[in-house]
Amino acid sequence: NAGVMQNPRHLVRRRGQEARLRCSPMKGHSHVYWYRQLPEEGLKFMVYLQKENIIDESGMPKERFSAEFPKEGPSILRIQQVVRGDSAAYFCASTQGLAGSSEQFFGPGTRLTVL
Amino acid sequence: RKEVEQDPGPFNVPEGATVAFNCTYSNSASQSFFWYRQDCRKEPKLLMSVYSSGNEDGRFTAQLNRASQYISLLIRDSKLSDSATYLCVVNPHNGNQFYFGTGTSLTVIP
Repeated sequence: NAGVMQNPRHLVRRRGQEARLRCSPMKGHSHVYWYRQLPEEGLKFMVYLQKENIIDESGMPKERFSAEFPKEGPSILRIQQVVRGDSAAYFCASTQGLAGSSEQFFGPGTRLTVL
Repeated sequence: RKEVEQDPGPFNVPEGATVAFNCTYSNSASQSFFWYRQDCRKEPKLLMSVYSSGNEDGRFTAQLNRASQYISLLIRDSKLSDSATYLCVVNPHNGNQFYFGTGTSLTVIP
């Protein structure tokens, strides 16, 4: 049973370009969470999705950031017109059931560097 | 006030030592608590859930103090492989969000 998969593992973009980060949850998991981790800081919740639905996006900046989890395929975190401050590690996690009692399984992360 | 606060450390302890971390949370209605471990440049991994009655897993013991709103992690007989950052995680109301502390860094020295 493959774990949570994220790609790319490393992504370099120039200011103003778009970044697309992909996350495939564990088999049988339909809940996906995206987090951002800045150096020397904790993980910050961004968005929680179930298949085809955004459940909670309260942690995601209103501009330039969007997320989706289509019926088929991975969850996508999209950052438009990237700026240097977007440089961070972006982790995706999946759970089998609702948050709270379910363990979150994390992917290896995507390290975004904005030049 | 942050949802979850941890002493960032670093904690540098010799092999075989006992070390304890505390973590405080602000929402008294929080329901679920966890300790995760994160190695350098790796993803977090669940170490253990924290139950109201406290729980133990080998050399690791987790405690919850609802009155004072903190959870603790005790590591006995520290090993070199315990060197990592330990993240305190709280889920208020069994809601959508998990709140992560900034982590406590532990280095076990030979």
